[in-house]
Amino acid sequence: EAAVTQSPRSKVAVTGGKVTLSCHQTNNHDYMYWYRQDTGHGLRLIHYSYVADSTEKGDIPDGYKASRPSQENFSLILELASLSQTAVYFCASSDRGTNTEVFFGKGTRLTVV
Amino acid sequence: QQQVRQSPQSLTVWEGETAILNCSYEDSTFDYFPWYWQFPRESPALLIAIRPVSNKKEDGRFTIFFNKREKKLSLHITDSQPGDSATYFCAASASSGSWQLIFGSGTQLTVMP
Repeated sequence: EAAVTQSPRSKVAVTGGKVTLSCHQTNNHDYMYWYRQDTGHGLRLIHYSYVADSTEKGDIPDGYKASRPSQENFSLILELASLSQTAVYFCASSDRGTNTEVFFGKGTRLTVV
Repeated sequence: QQQVRQSPQSLTVWEGETAILNCSYEDSTFDYFPWYWQFPRESPALLIAIRPVSNKKEDGRFTIFFNKREKKLSLHITDSQPGDSATYFCAASASSGSWQLIFGSGTQLTVMP
């Protein structure tokens, strides 16, 4: 079964601190994504990648960086965490970029204080 | 501008009733419409999907009705069960151009026993 593993599952960070969220997939998928979910909103795409060593901006990239060092791993980096970045973050992967099922990790609940 | 809209924001039905969740979209190039469901404290997962080559897709108690001319679709859940209580997200993507999966803001469904 497809597997996307996120770590940590929850984190409390201080304003202005650096936060790294990690994601590992064993699906052999080319595409990986980072989504953000806020209460009352759907999932919004932050960054995505379709090949190792390359990342692309999604709809809400400001304040976030991404890194794809290998096909299996995709990280989301908050260089200077802010209160507004408190949310649940989902990593996901898919076989191709469109018209295909997206598999989500279990999410990381980030609280910035 | 929200490209995928869902209504209602929340819906309560009694066990055994049919729940109807609505979705509309802006971009006429969208050609793939999956519905994801998300249980509390879980990650989203694919429930059912449709492509515009057909105007209906059925999977057990779940049916998507699609109206290409009006850019609308709906998810019908017949014989609703308490275990169907979840948040349902309508999403859309295009094979070309803006291929990213765009999510609506979700409908929170509660099925009362």
